[in-house]
Amino acid sequence: DAKTTQPNSMESNEEEPVHLPCNHSTISGTDYIHWYRQLPSQGPEYVIHGLTSNVNNRMASLAIAEDRKSSTLILHRATLRDAAVYYCILRGDSGSARQLTFGSGTQLTVLP
Amino acid sequence: ETGVTQSPTHLIKTRGQQVTLRCSSQSGHNTVSWYQQALGQGPQFIFQYYREEENGRGNFPPRFSGLQFPNYSSELNVNALELDDSALYLCASSLEVPNSPLHFGNGTRLTVT
Repeated sequence: DAKTTQPNSMESNEEEPVHLPCNHSTISGTDYIHWYRQLPSQGPEYVIHGLTSNVNNRMASLAIAEDRKSSTLILHRATLRDAAVYYCILRGDSGSARQLTFGSGTQLTVLP
Repeated sequence: ETGVTQSPTHLIKTRGQQVTLRCSSQSGHNTVSWYQQALGQGPQFIFQYYREEENGRGNFPPRFSGLQFPNYSSELNVNALELDDSALYLCASSLEVPNSPLHFGNGTRLTVT
């Protein structure tokens, strides 16, 4: 399985932007980059995904490097409710590659 | 739109016993997958069901088995429980299309003593 590398933890101040990095140097051409987050005492929650182009949705933006070996999840204005573990996951588009392989993720702390 | 619901929320079992966990998929979703999350770790894929058949399995022994019903609800069965089976068990539903997001329930916390 292609692997991702994320910092164990990050801190941000409330109402400031947060940039969560992810390295995936062994990404294959058919792997999509997915982000999920897990709030305390809840199941993981889908955030965003992309293949090559940058993506935006109501929750976040995803910036993907031109060589696709890294990506950054951007929360434009962090709130206390964004405190969670954020997982960067590579996901294939067929067969068993569609399963999600979670790493340890980045624990985001948002300071008031 | 009803989300993914799991029952029970908490469960305590003794080593060697059997357990059944239940999951109701989000409305309209035809694929269900199960994950095991040990304390402090990311979820690990157990298996996936589509049209009532297992169509993907992670590195888990055969004593972990499942069922998917015609209404797309699902069960996870674990036989001969071991202490290391203590974990949060997560169910996720999705559509069987590439890159369809998974919608997770809040899990069942299983403690094996």
